[in-house]
Amino acid sequence: EAGVAQSPRYKIIEKRQSVAFWCNPISGHATLYWYQQILGQGPKLLIQFQNNGVVDDSQLPKDRFSAERLKGVDSTLKIQPAKLEDSAVYLCASSPQLAGEVWNEQFFGPGTRLTVL
Amino acid sequence: GNSVTQMEGPVTLSEEAFLTINCTYTATGYPSLFWYVQYPGEGLQLLLKATKADDKGSNKGFEATYRKETTSFHLEKGSVQVSDSAVYFCALDTGRRALTFGSGTRLQVQP
Repeated sequence: EAGVAQSPRYKIIEKRQSVAFWCNPISGHATLYWYQQILGQGPKLLIQFQNNGVVDDSQLPKDRFSAERLKGVDSTLKIQPAKLEDSAVYLCASSPQLAGEVWNEQFFGPGTRLTVL
Repeated sequence: GNSVTQMEGPVTLSEEAFLTINCTYTATGYPSLFWYVQYPGEGLQLLLKATKADDKGSNKGFEATYRKETTSFHLEKGSVQVSDSAVYFCALDTGRRALTFGSGTRLQVQP
């Protein structure tokens, strides 16, 4: 079974530039998450999708970050304009929707390491 | 809100030593608890889980018991190997939603 795919793996940009990250979840997984992991910290949720609808985007800085999941499959996260404090690893995860379970395992991609200069 | 507190690292041990990484949590309701591991150059992987009080999760020689009375989920292994060197994250889920992670604990095992 193929895992969660992310691209690019690394990106270096100047502040105030734009950047986009792509994620392809595991086939059939209904739920997709984007997390931000700043160096030395645990991942923090940015946005959660269920199919192509947003479940939780309360921690997404909406003045500069946007995300979409067209057709309920792959997803794009965009930052425009980037700030120095956006330097982090951006992780995508997906999970199946299993009836009757109180938890669903999340499968993580390798992440995109963003450096803002 | 929900939060997870882990002991700070790095934790440096010799091969075959006993490992404990402390984790405590604050959450509304009855969360599921997890340990994720991040090996060098790899993505986060689920190591073990417990979904209710007194459950013990185990995998690859690692164990953790869900203690509701102390709101803890400490990770233990009786004899660590060099290959266990990684960053370990404690996390919780309050109901099929996004995970709340601790800050991670780096483990370094020396031969």
